[in-house]
Amino acid sequence: AQTVTQSQPEMSVQEAETVTLSCTYDTSESDYYLFWYKQPPSRQMILVIRQEAYKQQNATENRFSVNFQKAAKSFSLKISDSQLGDAAMYFCAYRSETGANSKLTFGKGITLSVRP
Amino acid sequence: DGGITQSPKYLFRKEGQNVTLSCEQNLNHDAMYWYRQDPGQGLRLIYYSQIVNDFQKGDIAEGYSVSREKKESFPLTVTSAQKNPTAFYLCASSSNPRTGGVGAEAFFGQGTRLTVV
Repeated sequence: AQTVTQSQPEMSVQEAETVTLSCTYDTSESDYYLFWYKQPPSRQMILVIRQEAYKQQNATENRFSVNFQKAAKSFSLKISDSQLGDAAMYFCAYRSETGANSKLTFGKGITLSVRP
Repeated sequence: DGGITQSPKYLFRKEGQNVTLSCEQNLNHDAMYWYRQDPGQGLRLIYYSQIVNDFQKGDIAEGYSVSREKKESFPLTVTSAQKNPTAFYLCASSSNPRTGGVGAEAFFGQGTRLTVV
């Protein structure tokens, strides 16, 4: 079974600085997707970034980028130029590409606070 | 607008009663999911369905039941057998990675807060 681990329950960053959120996962599959979701106080889940395992290039979306290390099964999220609006809970998630097992598995999340 | 809708937003239930949470999507997604969120626990999978008339248990299915009679709908019933039902429930849908799942990410509803009184 796939598992996703986010070992840091909380992190804090100064506004305008950079922060990295860690995530590791365990799987025996070779083809899969990884995601970072953001959950602000409204509790609406918002997709931040997506990475396909077959792609060697790390995904980027504006101020958000990932460091995907397939061999190490590591998938960290870097937030550059942090803004007050980035304060939220962040979840790492895994999804198999195999249609027979396409469930989406989440980590426990990390609460990010941004200091003005 | 395409999206996924959960209702109601807040729900109160007396102990011993069954209650059904609604989830509807018009994104033409094959897969739908129900998650439960408790403080410090992340999102735990209750049930998921990849096609109409078929669904699988997730990690914490005991005390819950679902149906998938239509592609658009995936209601969750919290039965009286669920010992601690007070929680935030999230429904999600996604395309199938194999059949046109561009990105294959899940889209979420706004959630239902269930409280047992």
